[in-house]
Amino acid sequence: AQSVTQPDIHITVSEGASLELRCNYSYGATPYLFWYVQSPGQGLQLLLKYFSGDTLVQGIKGFEAEFKRSQSSFNLRKPSVHWSDAAEYFCAVGAGDSNYQLIWGAGTKLIIKP
Amino acid sequence: KAGVTQTPRYLIKTRGQQVTLSCSPISGHRSVSWYQQTPGQGLQFLFEYFSETQRNKGNFPGRFSGRQFSNSRSEMNVSTLELGDSALYLCASSLEQSSYNEQFFGPGTRLTVL
Repeated sequence: AQSVTQPDIHITVSEGASLELRCNYSYGATPYLFWYVQSPGQGLQLLLKYFSGDTLVQGIKGFEAEFKRSQSSFNLRKPSVHWSDAAEYFCAVGAGDSNYQLIWGAGTKLIIKP
Repeated sequence: KAGVTQTPRYLIKTRGQQVTLSCSPISGHRSVSWYQQTPGQGLQFLFEYFSETQRNKGNFPGRFSGRQFSNSRSEMNVSTLELGDSALYLCASSLEQSSYNEQFFGPGTRLTVL
């Protein structure tokens, strides 16, 4: 069965440090990949997505993610985090099949140390 | 254009009662998905409606049901409420199927079951 794993429930980084949030998926073909962010008191918002083409995708707020087919991963990165990046981050995997259900990871909560 | 709206924003019910939540998608969006979010459980997919048809359903009991109207507005109903149904219920809309389109989320309805 298809699945999405975000192995880190919580991650704490210092402000200004780099960040990498992990996402691994299980799916037979090339999936559609998404990262969403849920900031405190705000709704979920799309950060970036990968459908095809260049495996390094740029998103909003200075985030990027790299699709690695050989590792079935789609890790989210940011070179320098800001206190406003404190939020929960969700990875999701979909397919072009209209009957395919979008599969969500359990989320990673990012805590920023001053 | 207006975002996804959900009503009511907060709801307090007692065990055994039933509840109906409403979601108005972004104009032109035909897909509406519902999610249950609880601490530690992440986003749990309830169901997706597309052009008034239920396309996908998550692993929830039959007490959870929904429908979509011709104007794409959607309602979700939970009957015979249980304490464990206390959660944030999120609605998301997308142009087409959610598995390969960006979803736009509403602020959610916070349901508390006493």
